[in-house]
Amino acid sequence: GEDVEQSLFLSVREGDSSVINCTYTDSSSTYLYWYKQEPGAGLQLLTYIFSNMDMKQDQRLTVLLNKKDKHLSLRIADTQTGDSAIYFCAENTGGFKTIFGAGTRLFVKA
Amino acid sequence: DTEVTQTPKHLVMGMTNKKSLKCEQHMGHRAMYWYKQKAKKPPELMFVYSYEKLSINESVPSRFSPECPNSSLLNLHLHALQPEDSALYLCASSLDSPGNTIYFGEGSWLTVV
Repeated sequence: GEDVEQSLFLSVREGDSSVINCTYTDSSSTYLYWYKQEPGAGLQLLTYIFSNMDMKQDQRLTVLLNKKDKHLSLRIADTQTGDSAIYFCAENTGGFKTIFGAGTRLFVKA
Repeated sequence: DTEVTQTPKHLVMGMTNKKSLKCEQHMGHRAMYWYKQKAKKPPELMFVYSYEKLSINESVPSRFSPECPNSSLLNLHLHALQPEDSALYLCASSLDSPGNTIYFGEGSWLTVV
């Protein structure tokens, strides 16, 4: 079945890089996503990667996909206090259902 | 800024009340979704509409009644809710093909008293 797992908490200092990790189980996943949720807000799509890609970079964000190990990571360079939020990893295998991980709470210390 | 707009932002209702949550998108998407999110949990899918037809109902209790009047609008009618239904209700939309990226609104915070 489909399952997405991520660590629940990450604490970094301002200016450092943050790396949030995720593992998924469905080898037929077509799309893999990272969403950000700030307190009291909805989910904001940060970036996504197709399963035939290894890496995607978008300004401070770098997504790495290891399809063999079913491992996805999100690296945030030069982490700022405004990056403090919950980050959800998600996968979609082609239907209308997107499977979300439990979310990683990123805490940035000034 | 999200292009999926939800109203109201906050709603407090009694267990005997009837209320509605509303959602509108202007991205030309033909699939629209309702999710429920409890505190510190990921969103849980409730309903999916595709081309204004109900495509998925995740065994949601009948006290929640969705409606899709047209391709841009999605409503969630609420009646006889329970306190445990208090949550953040998120609307989302995507292109019509399954597997396309979903975009969320800011959510409606519902408190049932």
